[in-house]
Amino acid sequence: DSGVTQTPKHLITATGQRVTLRCSPRSGDLSVYWYQQSLDQGLQFLIQYYNGEERAKGNILERFSAQQFPDLHSELNLSSLELGDSALYFCASSVGDSGSAQYFGPGTRLTVL
Amino acid sequence: GIQVEQSPPDLILQEGANSTLRCNFSDSVNNLQWFHQNPWGQLINLFYIPSGTKQNGRLSATTVATERYSLLYISSSQTTDSGVYFCAVVVSGGYNKLIFGAGTRLAVHP
Repeated sequence: DSGVTQTPKHLITATGQRVTLRCSPRSGDLSVYWYQQSLDQGLQFLIQYYNGEERAKGNILERFSAQQFPDLHSELNLSSLELGDSALYFCASSVGDSGSAQYFGPGTRLTVL
Repeated sequence: GIQVEQSPPDLILQEGANSTLRCNFSDSVNNLQWFHQNPWGQLINLFYIPSGTKQNGRLSATTVATERYSLLYISSSQTTDSGVYFCAVVVSGGYNKLIFGAGTRLAVHP
């Protein structure tokens, strides 16, 4: 158990819908990261927050947005869902915003029908 | 951008065998981590090893940053070692985003 929690574990929804994925970092960690794992793209970095502020952005679609709240938990919002958004979404956390190991949560498996 | 290449792509072992997985990267890195993704999809942190050698039970890892490669050794493999092993790096001077290799898929048979 990494100490990073994610909910829900599984999500099945239809095209065009909007979903919210939630992540709580390890106790004491200030950075939260979101990654997407799909069959064709592999594991890809989406976005990083550090102590409530956006720190870095990767290949995150405009339909996707995220935020980190004052209690340091984070949410990833996916809207206007398409079939290709079906993937495993991971949250990770680390102590600092650089130079520290990242620990991954169990992931949320999203299926868009 | 940086290239992270893992070899071999697939590996089949009998229980008890030893193996070496390799990760080559094309640029200087600040951070290198090895992960094991088990058949249930969980990504388990094995090593944080930007340089040097570390050991944890039957697993050990070595990173030679100046030559841009890292090795993961698995000794006396067990069926529970099956899954995909990923190497991931953070580029020097960049943000703390991990760039993942394509992974090595390991199957250990009894």
